[in-house]
Amino acid sequence: DVKVTQSSRYLVKRTGEKVFLECVQDMDHENMFWYRQDPGLGLRLIYFSYDVKMKEKGDIPEGYSVSREKKERFSLILESASTNQTSMYLCASSDQRGVSEQFFGPGTRLTVL
Amino acid sequence: QKEVEQNSGPLSVPEGAIASLNCTYSDRGSQSFFWYRQYSGKSPELIMFIYSNGDKEDGRFTAQLNKASQYVSLLIRDSQPSDSATYLCAVNGWDGNQFYFGTGTSLTVIP
Repeated sequence: DVKVTQSSRYLVKRTGEKVFLECVQDMDHENMFWYRQDPGLGLRLIYFSYDVKMKEKGDIPEGYSVSREKKERFSLILESASTNQTSMYLCASSDQRGVSEQFFGPGTRLTVL
Repeated sequence: QKEVEQNSGPLSVPEGAIASLNCTYSDRGSQSFFWYRQYSGKSPELIMFIYSNGDKEDGRFTAQLNKASQYVSLLIRDSQPSDSATYLCAVNGWDGNQFYFGTGTSLTVIP
């Protein structure tokens, strides 16, 4: 069974803390994505990666960075968490071959106090 | 700016009725079109995809694509209360890698 896993389902952090969100996929997918989802705003793309050590900015990269040192792992980093980064964070992966859906992880609900 | 537009709803239908969900997109270079279902508090899961003009059926679900009108829809026949969820339309672009999502339509099926 194909799977995308995220390191935490729920996370509570304080303003100014450095936060790491980890995502791992076992499908040998080239593409990986980080989204945040907020009520009324839908899914917004933060960063994506088409290959190891590659990253591209999405629509809302400010305040975030990413790391992809291995093909199966894509990390999202909040350098200095702020309250407006309280959100649901979703990781996804997809294949580059053919018509390929995005497979989503279970999500991390991050609260920044 | 590539845009995918959906009516946010909420859309309410009685059990057993047909639910019709609509989506328009702005990028004529879009190649493939996806419908995801998302239950409250859960992550999106794929229902079906379509890439050729016309209809594609899978059980109670039918996706319809009209590239000339830049329009894709999802019909749910014999709607069940378990179909109550938010439905996301997604489009991927000419390079086939990046996805663009609509904000979703909330569907409630009333028993």
